[in-house]
Amino acid sequence: EVQLVESGGGLVQPGGSLRLSCAASGFSFSSYWMHWVRQVPGKGLAWVSHIKSDETTTYADSVKGRFTISRDKAKSTLYLQMSSLRAEDTAVYYCARDLYGSGSSLDSWGQGTLVTVSS
Amino acid sequence: QSALTQPASVSGSPGQSITISCTGTSSDVGGYNYVSWYQQRPGKAPKLMIYDVSHRPSGVSNRFSGFKSGNTAALTISGLQAEDEADYYCSSGTGKNTPVFGGGTKLTVL
Repeated sequence: EVQLVESGGGLVQPGGSLRLSCAASGFSFSSYWMHWVRQVPGKGLAWVSHIKSDETTTYADSVKGRFTISRDKAKSTLYLQMSSLRAEDTAVYYCARDLYGSGSSLDSWGQGTLVTVSS
Repeated sequence: QSALTQPASVSGSPGQSITISCTGTSSDVGGYNYVSWYQQRPGKAPKLMIYDVSHRPSGVSNRFSGFKSGNTAALTISGLQAEDEADYYCSSGTGKNTPVFGGGTKLTVL
């Protein structure tokens, strides 16, 4: 069974940093593109970043230069290093698996971890 | 990339069919057969219901179907059930291999 479990969320001050983790199991982690998607409570979904199986990374304009996606294949864990955090980064962050590398079909999602940026 | 356009809400009675539209541009919906639909119940993670316009993942009821015409995609749910009540989001691939999402549609089963 495919499982994705996020952790690392919490309360952080504006300008601060946080690292999110997503532990994957039940599939060949290194073979799949992986994404981070966020959702402001009560609002819609917004794509944040992805990392392809060849380690190529892409970011939404709103986080480019502040967030870094990476993965540890040995630990089957996806990361999102977030820095220079702003109030508008407050959201539930989900990691998700890309079904076959289309960049669009996210077939498995974690339960999400809440990041709150506030003083 | 601007968000795709969905109606804020739709409703239907049990047993009826409803359709949710998702309008984009030639740079996303109209340009690629990478439209997906997600169901999200309150407090839960999104669940993939349709991918590549009309394909259903294993385990998804055949009451859910998708299609696309030009820059507009649509999700149809037939034989509406109380358990279908949720938020539904469309997404589309783009030329950058990144998804753009719709604003979401709240489905109410009357």
